Amino acid sequence: KAGVTQTPRYLIKTRGQQVTLSCSPISGHRSVSWYQQTPGQGLQFLFEYFSETQRNKGNFPGRFSGRQFSNSRSEMNVSTLELGDSALYLCASSLGSWRQGNSPLHFGNGTRLTVT
Amino acid sequence: GESVGLHLPTLSVQEGDNSIINCAYSNSASDYFIWYKQESGKGPQFIIDIRSNMDKRQGQRVTVLLNKTVKHLSLQIAATQPGDSAVYFCADPRGGNEKLTFGTGTRLTIIP
Repeated sequence: KAGVTQTPRYLIKTRGQQVTLSCSPISGHRSVSWYQQTPGQGLQFLFEYFSETQRNKGNFPGRFSGRQFSNSRSEMNVSTLELGDSALYLCASSLGSWRQGNSPLHFGNGTRLTVT
Repeated sequence: GESVGLHLPTLSVQEGDNSIINCAYSNSASDYFIWYKQESGKGPQFIIDIRSNMDKRQGQRVTVLLNKTVKHLSLQIAATQPGDSAVYFCADPRGGNEKLTFGTGTRLTIIP
C-alpha cells in the first residue's frame, strides 16, 4: 500500500506570494491533517479534514487554509507568504478515528518551503 | 500552560546497547500516547502507542512504559542499530480533539 504522498518536495517562494501544497493520503484513509515543523516551534498542528469538512483547527492565522476533495486528497494554501512561514509542512492521514486506536496518524515526508 | 513531551534534547548510545528515551507530561487527562521516529529528510514514523489503562506495551525491539503517578513515559529500544539514529517524539491528543501535540523530541545518535 502506498504511503502518504506530498508534492512538491521542495518549494522556494518570495515574500508576499502564495503557495499551494498537495497531499494524497493512504488509500482508504478519510482524515487528513496538516502540521508545520520548524526548528524553533517544533511540530505544530494546522488543521484536520474529514470527509471534506474541516474538523479541527490549530492556532494559525487565516492566511493558512486548506481543503479536502471527495477522493480524500487535500491541499493547503498559504497566502501572503512571510519569511517566518519557511518550514517543513507535513501531511498525515488516518482512518479518522485514530484517537480510539483504530489507526494512528501516518505522515508523508513533507514539503520543504523556503520563503525569501 | 500544560505541556507534553519534555524530552532531553540529545542522547548518544553505543551500537548494540539498549537506549531509553524519556518523556514527561503535565496533563492528567491525557489517556493516549504515541511515539514517533523521524529520520533526517523524512516525516515522523509511527513506532508504538499506549493507552492509560496500560503500564507497558511491547513491540519489535521497543517497549513503552507509562507511569501515570509521576506523569512519565519512556521508550526503550533494545540492541540499538545504526538505523535507530533519529529524532524521537512522544505525542498525545489534547482534550477531545483529533490533533496531536508533540514534544520537542530527543535526537538519538548510535555510536558504532
